[in-house]
Amino acid sequence: GQSLEQPSEVTAVEGAIVQINCTYQTSGFYGLSWYQQHDGGAPTFLSYNALDGLEETGRFSSFLSRSDSYGYLLLQELQMKDSASYFCAVTQGGKLIFGQGTELSVKP
Amino acid sequence: GAVVSQHPSWVICKSGTSVKIECRSLDFQATTMFWYRQFPKQSLMLMATSNEGSKATYEQGVEKDKFLINHASLTLSTLTVTSAHPEDSSFYICSARNSNQPQHFGDGTRLSIL
Repeated sequence: GQSLEQPSEVTAVEGAIVQINCTYQTSGFYGLSWYQQHDGGAPTFLSYNALDGLEETGRFSSFLSRSDSYGYLLLQELQMKDSASYFCAVTQGGKLIFGQGTELSVKP
Repeated sequence: GAVVSQHPSWVICKSGTSVKIECRSLDFQATTMFWYRQFPKQSLMLMATSNEGSKATYEQGVEKDKFLINHASLTLSTLTVTSAHPEDSSFYICSARNSNQPQHFGDGTRLSIL
């Protein structure tokens, strides 16, 4: 089986930095992805890590440690529009298995 | 690029009717399409995986006779919720990918059964 754990909610203020952690247990692993989903919308791909280390894309960065079965999404210079749900997902057997999601609230 | 169109975006219908949802890849050939269901404040749950020209592979607990999936071409997959009941009300999302490329998601269909 597989399971992913991430915090259910996080609150931060505009301009701050926030880190959303994700730990996973899977029988097979090909990579960790992060998706953003605004209320009522579709998931939007943010980043993907297949190998250990940090991937940076603008204000968003993602980190993976395969030995620790752990990754995180780092959001810098938070903006109000970043308020959304963030999901980590593992690629397994060609399928995406999603975590339960972290609801990020950005306050003024 | 990599646009996935899902239609309809919103549907309300009476209990007992069947509802068809379409998922189209507009600018690439989708060798594989996925169907997810999402209840409010919950995660995306994979329902089934379909490869063009093959029968869909359903996840455990998903009734294949209830949720009919057709993937007849490289750009179109359909999900039909048969004899829908209020408990089938949910947000249904498709995604598509070409070979080992990342999945691209449609905008979802909000289904409400009265």
